[in-house]
Amino acid sequence: DIQLTQSPSSLSASVGDSVTITCRATQSISHFLNWYQQRPGKAPQILIYAASTLQGGVPSRFSGSGTGTDFALTITSLQPEDFATYYCQQSYGTTWTFGQGTNVEI
Amino acid sequence: QVQLHESGPGLVKPSGTVSLTCDVSGASISSSHWWSWVRQSPGKGLEWIAEVFHLGNTNYNPSLKNRVAISVDRTKNQFSLRLTSVTAADTAVYFCTRVVMTTVTRYFEAWGQGTLLNVST
Repeated sequence: DIQLTQSPSSLSASVGDSVTITCRATQSISHFLNWYQQRPGKAPQILIYAASTLQGGVPSRFSGSGTGTDFALTITSLQPEDFATYYCQQSYGTTWTFGQGTNVEI
Repeated sequence: QVQLHESGPGLVKPSGTVSLTCDVSGASISSSHWWSWVRQSPGKGLEWIAEVFHLGNTNYNPSLKNRVAISVDRTKNQFSLRLTSVTAADTAVYFCTRVVMTTVTRYFEAWGQGTLLNVST
């Protein structure tokens, strides 16, 4: 299976800050990397697919980059509703896998 | 807008068999999408389990393939997951999802709210 490692596992930030979360794959996955946001007690929601395409309705302060094995999710000007856990997920192989998550907290 | 709603027994005994169902509304299960189950447990995080297309095509996570079966009921616009020989390690929140799958991208587009399955005596 392709493994994904997110960094950091958690981070503290303030409203208005910019943060970047990275996701590294154990082999090249081209652009087949997606990002999800999960708030406590809720299901994950798709933010970005195909590494850098913003899902409809997602604010433009979210952006994704990368290809191959190294990817990043950047959130500029953090808003109160952005404090959540973020997961990367690969859909390159036949077995889809997720990163372990990054908790963004105040 | 598609909505998905999971249902299940909540509690099952070890070594037992459980069936989970996902009711789909706002969209036809016979559309061009795939439908999938993902689970989340504190110990293993998010784990993809299986996916199905309305024509019966299926894909499974090899780590669970021997114990799971996914199916579609087009007449009820729902899909289901059957998990056998359950253990405490299967305790998790189970989400059903709609999958966007094209030649250039694949992702879990819509999620249900999740149903908790507790494996315990």
